[in-house]
Amino acid sequence: AQSVTQLGSHVSVSEGALVLLRCNYSSSVPPYLFWYVQYPNQGLQLLLKYTTGATLVKGINGFEAEFKKSETSFHLTKPSAHMSDAAEYFCAAGTYKYIFGTGTRLKVLA
Amino acid sequence: EAGVAQSPRYKIIEKRQSVAFWCNPISGHATLYWYQQILGQGPKLLIQFQNNGVVDDSQLPKDRFSAERLKGVDSTLKIQPAKLEDSAVYLCASSSRLAENIQYFGAGTRLSVL
Repeated sequence: AQSVTQLGSHVSVSEGALVLLRCNYSSSVPPYLFWYVQYPNQGLQLLLKYTTGATLVKGINGFEAEFKKSETSFHLTKPSAHMSDAAEYFCAAGTYKYIFGTGTRLKVLA
Repeated sequence: EAGVAQSPRYKIIEKRQSVAFWCNPISGHATLYWYQQILGQGPKLLIQFQNNGVVDDSQLPKDRFSAERLKGVDSTLKIQPAKLEDSAVYLCASSSRLAENIQYFGAGTRLSVL
């Protein structure tokens, strides 16, 4: 069965520190990959996407992710965390039909 | 460009009651999705429409859930009768082939079944 796995349901970082949120997908999942962010009481907002081409993808708010086929990974990073980055982050895979991971809640410590 | 609109934002009902949610997708988006997001989990697809036809409803509990998209624009999702385990956020999303089939989400309806 196709699946998307996010390692770590909760991640805490200090303000200004590197953010790393992990996502792995099953090899049978199509290579369209996405990261969405969800702020409290809001819907999902697209951060970035990988469809084809360059494997390092830049998104909004300073986030980027790298598609590594050999590792079946699509980890999300940001060099310097900001308080406003505190939210829940979802990795998803698919084309017309998305499979979502279970989410990682990011906490940013002052 | 207006985003995906959903209403109501919150709904509290008692078990065995019925409830309906409404979604208005982004203008011109042919594909519409309804997801269920249970607390602590990722969204799970319930049903996918292409215009006014159902593409995938394999995970829709058809004994109690129903959805329609008359005229291929707005959509309603209904639960009748509701169970305690239906407490969740119901998200609507829409996409367009011209927009690389990226799904854009509404703010969701938070349902509490007591």
